Amino acid sequence: ETGVTQTPRHLVMGMTNKKSLKCEQHLGHNAMYWYKQSAKKPLELMFVYSLEERVENNSVPSRFSPECPNSSHLFLHLHTLQPEDSALYLCASSQTRESGANVLTFGAGSRLTVL
Amino acid sequence: AQSVTQLDSQVPVFEEAPVELRCNYSSSVSVYLFWYVQYPNQGLQLLLKYLSGSTLVKGINGFEAEFNKSQTSFHLRKPSVHISDTAEYFCAVSPSTGANNLFFGTGTRLTVIP
Repeated sequence: ETGVTQTPRHLVMGMTNKKSLKCEQHLGHNAMYWYKQSAKKPLELMFVYSLEERVENNSVPSRFSPECPNSSHLFLHLHTLQPEDSALYLCASSQTRESGANVLTFGAGSRLTVL
Repeated sequence: AQSVTQLDSQVPVFEEAPVELRCNYSSSVSVYLFWYVQYPNQGLQLLLKYLSGSTLVKGINGFEAEFNKSQTSFHLRKPSVHISDTAEYFCAVSPSTGANNLFFGTGTRLTVIP
């Protein structure tokens, strides 16, 4: 149990489907993140939420839509995806401070396949 | 901006042999450094981190890493590996001031051979 739970673990969807990935953290952290992990590429930071406000959006296509209803939950809504969006999507959380390192705790990931 | 280079994409090593996984970083400001491990079908788990102080950092599972500022390196080492160490290892860097998001390398696949 890592303290960060992601569902579903595996998802297969067509390009016209609408689906959502869910992340829940049980650590009392105040920041949550979505990363995309593709083979042979560095982890790509997609979105950052701090105190439930989106503080970073790294030029992610609008077919990915995040939602953070409270500090414990984070969603990634998926719509009209492309096959190149197939990847492992990792959620993470951290307790951000004014000073000191930002140590992330990751979930196990959601493996997405777009047909 | 920060960046991380992990030169070795794959490292095979025999069981009980020593291993070193290389990590070099680039940054115009002072940084914090991290190593994460990803076992099959799991998320990333923190192995160790360097924030300040002693340049030799010890982590979980017998791993250690040494921060070398002049060479901008943070190589990961273990004196004797086990089969269970087979995993993907990621080096990461974050600036020590301002927005401290993590920047990851491409990872090194460590395979321990019986």
